[in-house]
Amino acid sequence: DTGVSQDPRHKITKRGQNVTFRCDPISEHNRLYWYRQTLGQGPEFLTYFQNEAQLEKSRLLSDRFSAERPKGSFSTLEIQRTEQGDSAMYLCASSFVSGGRRDTQYFGPGTRLTVL
Amino acid sequence: AQKVTQAQTEISVVEKEDVTLDCVYETRDTTYYLFWYKQPPSGELVFLIRRNSFDEQNEISGRYSWNFQKSTSSFNFTITASQVVDSAVYFCALIINQGGKLIFGQGTELSVKP
Repeated sequence: DTGVSQDPRHKITKRGQNVTFRCDPISEHNRLYWYRQTLGQGPEFLTYFQNEAQLEKSRLLSDRFSAERPKGSFSTLEIQRTEQGDSAMYLCASSFVSGGRRDTQYFGPGTRLTVL
Repeated sequence: AQKVTQAQTEISVVEKEDVTLDCVYETRDTTYYLFWYKQPPSGELVFLIRRNSFDEQNEISGRYSWNFQKSTSSFNFTITASQVVDSAVYFCALIINQGGKLIFGQGTELSVKP
């Protein structure tokens, strides 16, 4: 039984560089979510997909952030021109939603980003 | 708008003590789901329990129990006979039926000392 996986687990980059993170959801899940968590805070929602459609984006997701889920399976989150304030844990989750059925969101191990 | 408040930032107990983590939520929606997640030092969020707004039955799972009260908009979590392995940050979260995103509280860091 494979859970949500994320790659890389850790990323250190210099300010101004672009970074890309990948998330592979649980195979039968049709929804995929991205959250960001800073030290001492709860996770904050960034965006989510149902299959390949991006259904909602938070105001936290500035123009430098873009997320894709091209084939409705894995997703990528790209941050362009990174800033020190982007340093955080980026969490991915997946779930299955259909009609009245709404399942739990299961989380991956996260990607910890440090911007120097 | 929805909101989750976990007023206890840190709790420290000695092993075998009982401990209750408080969670208060706000929503105008009548259909919603409440969750508890555990985040150990490794960082991964681990699902513990979910409750829908129509089910106010309390739940017990081993040493864990949950008390859901709509009248006070609370969903509290009790660990009985705490153990060192229970040390973690615990998050309460809310999702409304038509929504996609989880709204998290700020978390309660539980430290269980031997």
